Amino acid sequence: RKEVEQDPGPFNVPEGATVAFNCTYSNSASQSFFWYRQDCRKEPKLLMSVYSSGNEDGRFTAQLNRASQYISLLIRDSKLSDSATYLCVVKKNYGGSQGNLIFGKGTKLSVKP
Amino acid sequence: GAVVSQHPSWVICKSGTSVKIECRSLDFQATTMFWYRQFPKQSLMLMATSNEGSKATYEQGVEKDKFLINHASLTLSTLTVTSAHPEDSSFYICSATKRGGTGELFFGEGSRLTVL
Repeated sequence: RKEVEQDPGPFNVPEGATVAFNCTYSNSASQSFFWYRQDCRKEPKLLMSVYSSGNEDGRFTAQLNRASQYISLLIRDSKLSDSATYLCVVKKNYGGSQGNLIFGKGTKLSVKP
Repeated sequence: GAVVSQHPSWVICKSGTSVKIECRSLDFQATTMFWYRQFPKQSLMLMATSNEGSKATYEQGVEKDKFLINHASLTLSTLTVTSAHPEDSSFYICSATKRGGTGELFFGEGSRLTVL
């Protein structure tokens, strides 16, 4: 089983749609979770951290279910500029550095006018 | 924000040659820099972790003699792909954490290597 698994997509949605991304991780000792966004041929950029209680940042809502080892990202009222690949990222539980990150393959989102 | 710059953005080389990629933290001192590799439609894979003034720590399966990492200062790390072959063609990305920071990663723009 891969350490971080995501639905590869692509998700093709119209503007204004709500879209949800799912992610599962295999290491139950994982402590930190993130969603990154990666545009084509660009470096990944941190979108948001994911907290146990769930957290929201504008149109973006992240949820964590430790019992199911499941992470989600919800995008409401999607914009054309949201088109990108969304990476689910989990921090290995050793060392203090955030360099010990495990990246999912990402889910590609394409928002159409 | 913190800026990490990589150079070159694109490089094409012949098989058997060596290629050096630079990663610089422009406005902060980076205690630790990380090198990742990403093949098409694959996830980022950590290759090695480098701390200023010490030897890099390589991930399992990454050949340290092929991927030479030098972290001579708090603002510069270099990755040299020695005797590159077509299978080394990939997107190489560095990232860095700030000295005295929270541990957040700041990524460079990436370097796309094509070996003919």
